[in-house]
Amino acid sequence: QKEVEQDPGPLSVPEGAIVSLNCTYSNSAFQYFMWYRQYSRKGPELLMYTYSSGNKEDGRFTAQVDKSSKYISLFIRDSQPSDSATYLCAMRNQAGTALIFGKGTTLSVSS
Amino acid sequence: NAGVTQTPKFRILKIGQSMTLQCTQDMNHNYMYWYRQDPGMGLKLIYYSVGAGITDKGEVPNGYNVSRSTTEDFPLRLELAAPSQTSVYFCASTGTSGSYEQYFGPGTRLTVT
Repeated sequence: QKEVEQDPGPLSVPEGAIVSLNCTYSNSAFQYFMWYRQYSRKGPELLMYTYSSGNKEDGRFTAQVDKSSKYISLFIRDSQPSDSATYLCAMRNQAGTALIFGKGTTLSVSS
Repeated sequence: NAGVTQTPKFRILKIGQSMTLQCTQDMNHNYMYWYRQDPGMGLKLIYYSVGAGITDKGEVPNGYNVSRSTTEDFPLRLELAAPSQTSVYFCASTGTSGSYEQYFGPGTRLTVT
């Protein structure tokens, strides 16, 4: 079993839809959970992060972590064409130096 | 601040050739990383460095070498290029070991034929 699993999609939705992106993981030592957004032919940029369990909201974006299920989610409300990108989950443990990335989910929002 | 810069943007190599991918950051970050990204495969860590003079292997180090003589620069060397090294290479940096945010460069697209 890979440390981090993420459905690569692609995922296509109409403008205004609610989008749910998910990752599962196997290492119970992971404490930091991140979502990076990568536009086509660009480097990834940090979108949101969460420490341990719980929810975090930033505008139209909500990140959730359920450590008991080893499952993290990113919700996008009122999706916009500008949200079209690849979303990569990433995580690491308390002492870790490197991040472990999921494969990324490609999202396309049509107007 | 330019952030993390990478050169070249694109390169085509013949099998067996060698090259160095350059990475420079101007944020005085101690931690630097090299990743490769293949289609649908996410980011895989090649090498990383926790400071000048200190490097360590990541998940996929075979066929690559690195050095870190200054805080700013972290070049990646490909020796004897192979088609399996066709990929997009990203350099990243972060300020502390506790940081969750890595700053990425724009990437180098490498094709080996």
